[in-house]
Amino acid sequence: KQEVTQIPAALSVPEGENLVLNCSFTDSAIYNLQWFRQDPGKGLTSLLLIQSSQREQTSGRLNASLDKSSGRSTLYIAASQPGDSATYLCAVNDFNKFYFGSGTKLNVKP
Amino acid sequence: DGGITQSPKYLFRKEGQNVTLSCEQNLNHDAMYWYRQDPGQGLRLIYYSQIVNDFQKGDIAEGYSVSREKKESFPLTVTSAQKNPTAFYLCASSSGGSSPPNTGELFFGEGSRLTVL
Repeated sequence: KQEVTQIPAALSVPEGENLVLNCSFTDSAIYNLQWFRQDPGKGLTSLLLIQSSQREQTSGRLNASLDKSSGRSTLYIAASQPGDSATYLCAVNDFNKFYFGSGTKLNVKP
Repeated sequence: DGGITQSPKYLFRKEGQNVTLSCEQNLNHDAMYWYRQDPGQGLRLIYYSQIVNDFQKGDIAEGYSVSREKKESFPLTVTSAQKNPTAFYLCASSSGGSSPPNTGELFFGEGSRLTVL
């Protein structure tokens, strides 16, 4: 069964810093990997989707990379802002079932 | 606007009662999913459906039931057999359907919070 781990569990940074969130998974035979943002009490908002054949995806200040062979993905957030404060989750698509990490809770201080 | 609608947003249940959570999507997606989220934990899969009139158990299906009579709708019933039903329930859909590989993006509703009194 696929196991997904996210490190760190929580992160607090001053505004303007660049930061990296990590996601690892145990079985490299995945279809895709997706990064989400979750605000308190809300559903998940999709940020980036990386297909298994891709190495990275970019959207604005966000860049996600995927290394299937090592079972790792990173989400890079440039020039962080207080509005980026949320929980970030990664999910891997493993034979039409999606497995989630426990998330990284990010706090960006003004 | 296209999206996923979950209702109710908040629900209170007495012990011994069954309750049904609604999930409707207008994205024309084949696949739909139900997840449970507990504080400080990741999402756990309850049930999923790749096509109308077919669904499969996820990792924590005990005490739950679903139906998929229409493509747009995937209701979840939390039965009295579910020992610890207080949680945040999330419905999702993707375009992958029953034809592999599913390379579709996963979209979520706003969630339903169930509390057992």
